Amino acid sequence: QQQVKQSPQSLIVQKGGISIINCAYENTAFDYFPWYQQFPGKGPALLIAIRPDVSEKKEGRFTISFNKSAKQFSLHIMDSQPGDSATYFCAAIGTGSYQLTFGKGTKLSVIP
Amino acid sequence: DAGVIQSPRHEVTEMGQEVTLRCKPISGHDYLFWYRQTMMRGLELLIYFNNNVPIDDSGMPEDRFSAKMPNASFSTLKIQPSEPRDSAVYFCASSLIGRPNYGYTFGSGTRLTVV
Repeated sequence: QQQVKQSPQSLIVQKGGISIINCAYENTAFDYFPWYQQFPGKGPALLIAIRPDVSEKKEGRFTISFNKSAKQFSLHIMDSQPGDSATYFCAAIGTGSYQLTFGKGTKLSVIP
Repeated sequence: DAGVIQSPRHEVTEMGQEVTLRCKPISGHDYLFWYRQTMMRGLELLIYFNNNVPIDDSGMPEDRFSAKMPNASFSTLKIQPSEPRDSAVYFCASSLIGRPNYGYTFGSGTRLTVV
């Protein structure tokens, strides 16, 4: 049972454009929602994260939008650059839990 | 700090052989996690340790898989016998306290191919 659904599977964006990746979850016990960035041949690395009591979090060009009632959250990458080309994973973890549940990932390609 | 170190980076083995993957966590981290990544299933948690003790191995797919953590600086994931469907990238991660906002760091992974 996939507890975190991520879309799209792949995304091609022009340099300077906005990349948007969406995730939806089912488990209301989740209390922390990180996003990971993975480059080929590397492990996932924490990019940005949000708690459900906040509707938006921004770090540089990266913004998470969170809709608790809809159980959805999304990653926006503003002014996308070729160096942002990577696979992005949304994830969730519940209170007292040590198990991250990952989405299936989105392969982002930013073309010049 | 060198981060989480995994070895080997690539492993090709024949079906039926024993495979051992190795992980050195970040010094001072008291949680260690083993994940498997495949195209079909994405990233799956196999097992995790706290202070060298296995806490939850419910993600280990079969008895052919076993993991140990003999000390705070070393862990192994063993597959015996290996099968082609075990082909995947295996990641080790370590963390302080076990939460992603406490330095949850992944290694670069071991790409396993079973032929």
